[in-house]
Amino acid sequence: AQSVTQLDSHVSVSEGTPVLLRCNYSSSYSPSLFWYVQHPNKGLQLLLKYTSAATLVKGINGFEAEFKKSETSFHLTKPSAHMSDAAEYFCVVSDANRDDKIIFGKGTRLHILP
Amino acid sequence: EPEVTQTPSHQVTQMGQEVILRCVPISNHLYFYWYRQILGQKVEFLVSFYNNEISEKSEIFDDQFSVERPDGSNFTLKIRSTKLEDSAMYFCASSEAAASASYEQYFGPGTRLTVT
Repeated sequence: AQSVTQLDSHVSVSEGTPVLLRCNYSSSYSPSLFWYVQHPNKGLQLLLKYTSAATLVKGINGFEAEFKKSETSFHLTKPSAHMSDAAEYFCVVSDANRDDKIIFGKGTRLHILP
Repeated sequence: EPEVTQTPSHQVTQMGQEVILRCVPISNHLYFYWYRQILGQKVEFLVSFYNNEISEKSEIFDDQFSVERPDGSNFTLKIRSTKLEDSAMYFCASSEAAASASYEQYFGPGTRLTVT
C-alpha cells in the first residue's frame, strides 16, 4: 500500500535562508510524486511533480525536489525563502498502477521569519 | 488559465440536513475527484469519478455520500444527512486523465462545510 510521511508538521526559517521540507514515501510500484502548496484560504496549487523522468525536478517559485529511490525520499527545497512562501505544503504520492487515487501527507506548515 | 471552481465557498447547515456541494471542473478533463480536509488534519481522498461512474471510493465515502455529474459541466457531492463530523473543507479536483504519470490533479478553492 502506498503512503507518504512528512516528517515535520512545522518548519520555521528566516527570510533569505534555505528551505527544506522533508517527505518519505512508501509505494508498491513506481510512484508519481507531487508537492502541492496551500496558501491561507486558498485551494491547492501544484508546485512540482516527479514522473520517472529526471530525478531532480524544478517547480514554480524557485522550488525543487529530488527523488531518491534508495532513501524513498522526495524532499522539497528552495535556496532562499521569501515571505510569500509561508503556507502549508503537502507531499502527495500516486501509484502508477492505481490511476485515479492519490495520497496526501499530513502537511508541513512553513513559517518565514523576517 | 482554466481553473476548477466550487460553490458555495462556505455552507452552514444543521445536523441531519442534506447538502449539495457544487464543482465545475476544467472543461476538457475526464477524471473528477472529491477530497475533504477536517480542520487541522490532512487532506483525505473521498471518491473518484470517470465515465459517469465512481471509479474508486474510500471508506469515508459511505451511503450518506453520493456524487453526480448532472450535466456536461457540473460535478456535485451530496451528503444526505449531515453529521457534526462532516464539518470540513471539501475540495473538488479534476484531471485530464489518470492521476499517474503526467496528469496532475487541479484543485478548486474548496467549500467549507460547517454542520451545527
